[in-house]
Amino acid sequence: EAQVTQNPRYLITVTGKKLTVTCSQNMNHEYMSWYRQDPGLGLRQIYYSMNVEVTDKGDVPEGYKVSRKEKRNFPLILESPSPNQTSLYFCASTRDRGNSPLHFGNGTRLTVT
Amino acid sequence: GENVEQHPSTLSVQEGDSAVIKCTYSDSASNYFPWYKQELGKRPQLIIDIRSNVGEKKDQRIAVTLNKTAKHFSLHITETQPEDSAVYFCAASIGGGATNKLIFGTGTLLAVQP
Repeated sequence: EAQVTQNPRYLITVTGKKLTVTCSQNMNHEYMSWYRQDPGLGLRQIYYSMNVEVTDKGDVPEGYKVSRKEKRNFPLILESPSPNQTSLYFCASTRDRGNSPLHFGNGTRLTVT
Repeated sequence: GENVEQHPSTLSVQEGDSAVIKCTYSDSASNYFPWYKQELGKRPQLIIDIRSNVGEKKDQRIAVTLNKTAKHFSLHITETQPEDSAVYFCAASIGGGATNKLIFGTGTLLAVQP
């Protein structure tokens, strides 16, 4: 089954404790991206990757890092989480950036206290 | 910068009525317009999309219309059912070429009252 898998689904942590949210897709998509979803703000792009070792900032990249060492994996790293990063996060992939549907993971609800 | 505006933010209809959600975009080069449905606690899922060379597209009770001149597109749901209750997001491609990406509207919470 074609899918985007992200883990964990729920995460509660404290300010400053580094964390990683994993994302993996099995559709051989070159393009992957991370979004955060906040009430009234919709889906905002954090980082994206056009291919292995190619990553770039989205609209709200501050406080986040990503890596793309393999085509299928695109982890999101919060080196020093802060309460304003409490949000719902989605990983997504697509065959053709901006011209084909995004396939979303199931989401990770992060709470930073 | 380029953006996508979506209205209304909430919409309540009676079961069987029609629902219309509208989006406007600013980039005249936008050429791909998907709509996503997000049920409570779940991921956004594509329900229909349209490209700039088409003015209207239908899939059963769902249709999308595009007016390139006015830079707006709309989602139409007919004969609404309680299972249509969800948040709906529109999106538009912006940038073109190597910088092409999707920008999302802020979402519409649709409630279908039985």
